[in-house]
Amino acid sequence: EVQLVESGGGLVQPGGSLRLSCAASGFTFRNYAMHWVRQGPGKGLVWVSYIDSEGITTRYADSVKGRFTISRDNAKNTLYVQMNSLRDEDTAVYYCARDGGARAYDIWGQGTMVIVSS
Amino acid sequence: DIVMTQSPLSLPVTPGEPASISCRSSQSLLHNNEYNYLDWYLQKPGQSPQLLICLGSNRASGVPDRFSGSGSGTDFTLKISRVEAEDVGVYYCMHSLQTPITFGQGTRLEIK
Repeated sequence: EVQLVESGGGLVQPGGSLRLSCAASGFTFRNYAMHWVRQGPGKGLVWVSYIDSEGITTRYADSVKGRFTISRDNAKNTLYVQMNSLRDEDTAVYYCARDGGARAYDIWGQGTMVIVSS
Repeated sequence: DIVMTQSPLSLPVTPGEPASISCRSSQSLLHNNEYNYLDWYLQKPGQSPQLLICLGSNRASGVPDRFSGSGSGTDFTLKISRVEAEDVGVYYCMHSLQTPITFGQGTRLEIK
């Protein structure tokens, strides 16, 4: 079964750090670009970051640029995002999503909740 | 940044009736490869989003044919020919022409 499973969410104080992981299975992970998308409580979807299939090219939303770092380990079939200097407004469910070609997200994980609060 | 604007934001529909959602972008999503980089997603209550339509009009695998997408440039439409109870949720359009990728505000479809 094609699947993405996020982990690493939790409660963190403002200014703190967290690393999220997204474990891929059921497909050849190294062939696909990947994205992180987040959704604040009761809010809409917001794109966060992109990484190409080789891990060479990355892109970020302005709101996280300089604080978040996306990466991947194709040998471990895992996508990551290192989140530093966390703010209250980073509180959200974070989804990883597969770019299935044509830049559309054909597979989504179940999401992991990040709460930034003192 | 490209701004995506959906309407309506709330859509009550009687089962069996059609439904239509509009999505407009602040600039053309037509790439020089002649594809429109516009997708539609449905987020059912308590679930992750799921892909319905990619490149403006291509149904994703497993999506019922009552869903259709149309449009080009800056104006796009998602149509449901006959709404079923399982179609409730929030529908989002999303452009992927360039980064930052942006989503519409979402349209909440509910059953009357």
